Amino acid sequence: DTGVSQDPRHKITKRGQNVTFRCDPISEHNRLYWYRQTLGQGPEFLTYFQNEAQLEKSRLLSDRFSAERPKGSFSTLEIQRTEQGDSAMYLCASSLGRQNIQYFGAGTRLSVL
Amino acid sequence: DQQVKQNSPSLSVQEGRISILNCDYTNSMFDYFLWYKKYPAEGPTFLISISSIKDKNEDGRFTVFLNKSAKHLSLHIVPSQPGDSAVYFCAAKHTNAGKSTFGDGTTLTVKP
Repeated sequence: DTGVSQDPRHKITKRGQNVTFRCDPISEHNRLYWYRQTLGQGPEFLTYFQNEAQLEKSRLLSDRFSAERPKGSFSTLEIQRTEQGDSAMYLCASSLGRQNIQYFGAGTRLSVL
Repeated sequence: DQQVKQNSPSLSVQEGRISILNCDYTNSMFDYFLWYKKYPAEGPTFLISISSIKDKNEDGRFTVFLNKSAKHLSLHIVPSQPGDSAVYFCAAKHTNAGKSTFGDGTTLTVKP
């Protein structure tokens, strides 16, 4: 399977704990995106990378959130001191160059108890 | 301020009939529009797109229409099939931007 993969698929954590998600994009894709989706809503943009450079961050991305893509391949999204409001599906997508079409992974569902 | 709106949360049609899904946008900087389909437990998958220089794009049973003056686009599925039952997201972007802005989706149910 050469699609976008995300790990873990599900994460249950207690409020105040830190969590980290991983995304492996399609291998030749140089752009990588993170979105968050809550029930009944569409994906909301969080941040994106071109190679290892983080080019844009949403105002939604509080200082508890940090994303990295150290070698321009896989990316991690860390949430520190999780809150119940962080419960959502976290989607990763990738694209090639300035291609408009984004290819999504199946997401990581986070539940904060 | 929701820049992309899908005002119908759900739509039910009979197999073989036409499905029409609608989307409105407010940001004049958007110049590229996409439709994604999402099945349960999967990520969104690209379906069809249209550039603002066109007013129609067709791909098999799927056609997207763009009315720039009204800031409105629609997705037509003809004929609808039960396998088309899914959530459909409208997305918009500026070509030079990375991110896409999504609507909240329309759940399409095609009844056999």
